[in-house]
Amino acid sequence: DAGVIQSPRHEVTEMGQEVTLRCKPISGHDYLFWYRQTMMRGLELLIYFNNNVPIDDSGMPEDRFSAKMPNASFSTLKIQPSEPRDSAVYFCASSRDSSNTEAFFGQGTRLTVV
Amino acid sequence: GENVEQHPSTLSVQEGDSAVIKCTYSDSASNYFPWYKQELGKRPQLIIDIRSNVGEKKDQRIAVTLNKTAKHFSLHITETQPEDSAVYFCAASIIGFVGNEKLTFGTGTRLTIIP
Repeated sequence: DAGVIQSPRHEVTEMGQEVTLRCKPISGHDYLFWYRQTMMRGLELLIYFNNNVPIDDSGMPEDRFSAKMPNASFSTLKIQPSEPRDSAVYFCASSRDSSNTEAFFGQGTRLTVV
Repeated sequence: GENVEQHPSTLSVQEGDSAVIKCTYSDSASNYFPWYKQELGKRPQLIIDIRSNVGEKKDQRIAVTLNKTAKHFSLHITETQPEDSAVYFCAASIIGFVGNEKLTFGTGTRLTIIP
């Protein structure tokens, strides 16, 4: 398996534009997590899914953020409209099941909103 | 919810010396404590983990200790090498219970090994 795959690796967008980040988890993993990493706040969990169902979205900062997982092999994190304070590295991670919780991270998407 | 605190935020040690990073957690139900290493510009990767049924675990030059009573756990790196320079994150979660699997991370420790 190629591991967790995220796209794009880098995204630069203007304030107010819609941004969509994509993630393909490791095949066979039941859990998918979206994290945001900044210098000030470290690694923050935004939302996670179990078998494509959102379990906890309490970390989503506001209504401008939304996430979907239409099937076991794909998830999106959307920001609309984007703001400069959304600039961060966004990581997707997956883990096998509730007893094997090692999280495998993707390469991350570095988002810059200007 | 779980709260994980990590200290120190930065640490510089001479090559060959030992490094210790400490974390505390708040939820006594947490039973899984992994440590991740993140090199500059790269993804976090698991380096060692411990479950609450053991007090210590070693893997070559790295070891983790857990004190459930005090709710703290530590990472120990011996005989440090330049390639140990990175940011280290501790985390805590509850495994085996659907709905509690999320990892709560500490704020990270930037470790610098001085040649």
